[in-house]
Amino acid sequence: NAGVMQNPRHLVRRRGQEARLRCSPMKGHSHVYWYRQLPEEGLKFMVYLQKENIIDESGMPKERFSAEFPKEGPSILRIQQVVRGDSAAYFCASSPQGARDQPQHFGDGTRLSIL
Amino acid sequence: QKEVEQDPGPLSVPEGAIVSLNCTYSNSAFQYFMWYRQYSRKGPELLMYTYSSGNKEDGRFTAQVDKSSKYISLFIRDSQPSDSATYLCAMSVNDYKLSFGAGTTVTVRA
Repeated sequence: NAGVMQNPRHLVRRRGQEARLRCSPMKGHSHVYWYRQLPEEGLKFMVYLQKENIIDESGMPKERFSAEFPKEGPSILRIQQVVRGDSAAYFCASSPQGARDQPQHFGDGTRLSIL
Repeated sequence: QKEVEQDPGPLSVPEGAIVSLNCTYSNSAFQYFMWYRQYSRKGPELLMYTYSSGNKEDGRFTAQVDKSSKYISLFIRDSQPSDSATYLCAMSVNDYKLSFGAGTTVTVRA
């Protein structure tokens, strides 16, 4: 399967710990997007990255959340000092070189549970 | 008011029926419109992608966009049990920051 790969699929953390979510885009895709899905709510945009650059992080909480997409390796969404409200499904999507008519393709998500 | 409102459902229809799904939006700057299907514990899967007003057909699926009314629809003809899923409308001003509806869960009864 050459789709968007996310790991881990499930992650359990205690309050105050750090959560690291990984996303490998589809082959040939250089643009990555992170979304958060809370129960009974739609997906909410968090951040848009290209290799080594954050393009738009307007949906990211100002504190505790950070994202990167290094030159080599997967994109990482990091949540420091997690709280119960961070429990959600986090989805990564990717697209080819940014252009019109290049829709986003999603991974199967990481389900984060905070104890 | 939410930027994108989607009929909440759930919908339950018999096999072979037409499924009609609807979303309204408030931001007149939206110009890209999509429908995604999401199975339980899976990621959204793109079904339809359209840029302009009017109809777009792909097999059993028809997407309809009415920018003047700020209204989009998805129709599924000859529905099958495998169409049972949550359907998400999504739209964007640019081509990357998607705004999603909350989703409509559809069950097609065999």
